Amino acid sequence: GAVVSQHPSWVICKSGTSVKIECRSLDFQATTMFWYRQFPKQSLMLMATSNEGSKATYEQGVEKDKFLINHASLTLSTLTVTSAHPEDSSFYICSANDLYETQYFGPGTRLLVL
Amino acid sequence: AQTVTQSQPEMSVQEAETVTLSCTYDTSESDYYLFWYKQPPSRQMILVIRQEAYKQQNATENRFSVNFQKAAKSFSLKISDSQLGDAAMYFCAYRRGGAGGTSYGKLTFGQGTILTVHP
Repeated sequence: GAVVSQHPSWVICKSGTSVKIECRSLDFQATTMFWYRQFPKQSLMLMATSNEGSKATYEQGVEKDKFLINHASLTLSTLTVTSAHPEDSSFYICSANDLYETQYFGPGTRLLVL
Repeated sequence: AQTVTQSQPEMSVQEAETVTLSCTYDTSESDYYLFWYKQPPSRQMILVIRQEAYKQQNATENRFSVNFQKAAKSFSLKISDSQLGDAAMYFCAYRRGGAGGTSYGKLTFGQGTILTVHP
């Protein structure tokens, strides 16, 4: 299957700082990528849909100014958590659809805000 | 809006035995896809199996098979000859078919089922 990478795999930051997470499709081009948030033993919550060359589409209740998404190329999307606070601590996962419309997921990023 | 329901928060099975995980969904669409994903302790989401709604034949992947009942909107996963490595959280997911629209490509997930495999 297709491979999606994420970087970093984990990050610890101080409250008030910004953190950038990268998501790359390694062996295919992805015009659309997705960003999820997951709490322990819970399901994935879709945050936004990242579209190459256009603005991201955010789910209801997700703050656009807090979670900035940039889809710079057909293989790279970034999520920036701005002015992070402890409540932003979570597990963030990205995904992308291959040309067969199957969604593949990155390994996730653990964010801890102190 | 589409919904996916997994009514079993936890399941357990003995090694080498068979277990079935339940999933029901609700949709008014006729063209859609259904998936089972596995999330082991590493938290990497792994695709287990995929089913196109227009296909009557149930999908199979080695020890994993589904029972797709379109009229009943049911999509259960059967794991045969369970192995210790099958222990994980399993998610059922729905995606509408066709192209375009604001929900294009989005997955709707169920709540998940934690599967424990006993040696």
